Amino acid sequence: GQSLEQPSEVTAVEGAIVQINCTYQTSGFYGLSWYQQHDGGAPTFLSYNALDGLEETGRFSSFLSRSDSYGYLLLQELQMKDSASYFCAVRPGANNLFFGTGTRLTVIP
Amino acid sequence: DTEVTQTPKHLVMGMTNKKSLKCEQHMGHRAMYWYKQKAKKPPELMFVYSYEKLSINESVPSRFSPECPNSSLLNLHLHALQPEDSALYLCASSLNPGSELSGKTDTQYFGPGTRLTVL
Repeated sequence: GQSLEQPSEVTAVEGAIVQINCTYQTSGFYGLSWYQQHDGGAPTFLSYNALDGLEETGRFSSFLSRSDSYGYLLLQELQMKDSASYFCAVRPGANNLFFGTGTRLTVIP
Repeated sequence: DTEVTQTPKHLVMGMTNKKSLKCEQHMGHRAMYWYKQKAKKPPELMFVYSYEKLSINESVPSRFSPECPNSSLLNLHLHALQPEDSALYLCASSLNPGSELSGKTDTQYFGPGTRLTVL
């Protein structure tokens, strides 16, 4: 089976940097994705790591260490609109995606 | 066209009703997915269609019946649902059905979802 652990809630100040960690246990591993979901909205793709290292996309970066079964999402220059739930998701096989429990990020002024 | 559309946005049905959820994408994606999401929980994968063939069924009860009429459309037929089936049903699509090295081409794009309430 699969399990992914994330902190349930994180609060950070506008303009700051926040890191959301994800540790996983999975029967197979093709890669780790990150999705953002605002209340009442659909998940939207943020970043994907198949190999170890850092991927940078604008204000968002994602890191993966396959040997440690660990990844994180880094959000820089936080804005109020970044308040949302963030899910890490693992691809244990070619076609399926298994989501973590989600981290509720609240950005405060 | 870079979006996945779903209809209806909201659906209320009784336990004896038969209804269908629809999903459409025109991005040329060859994999389509159904997820179920309960409040404050992550999406849970239900079905995967790869090149219009059902490739994954995550032990979903038979009262949920998926159908993929063509590469752009995905339906979810509902019959004799229970109140605990009330949830947000999300459709997603991705370009490739998946391989270890395909990476970002397997990014899943989600539709806005159908909010289902079973009375």
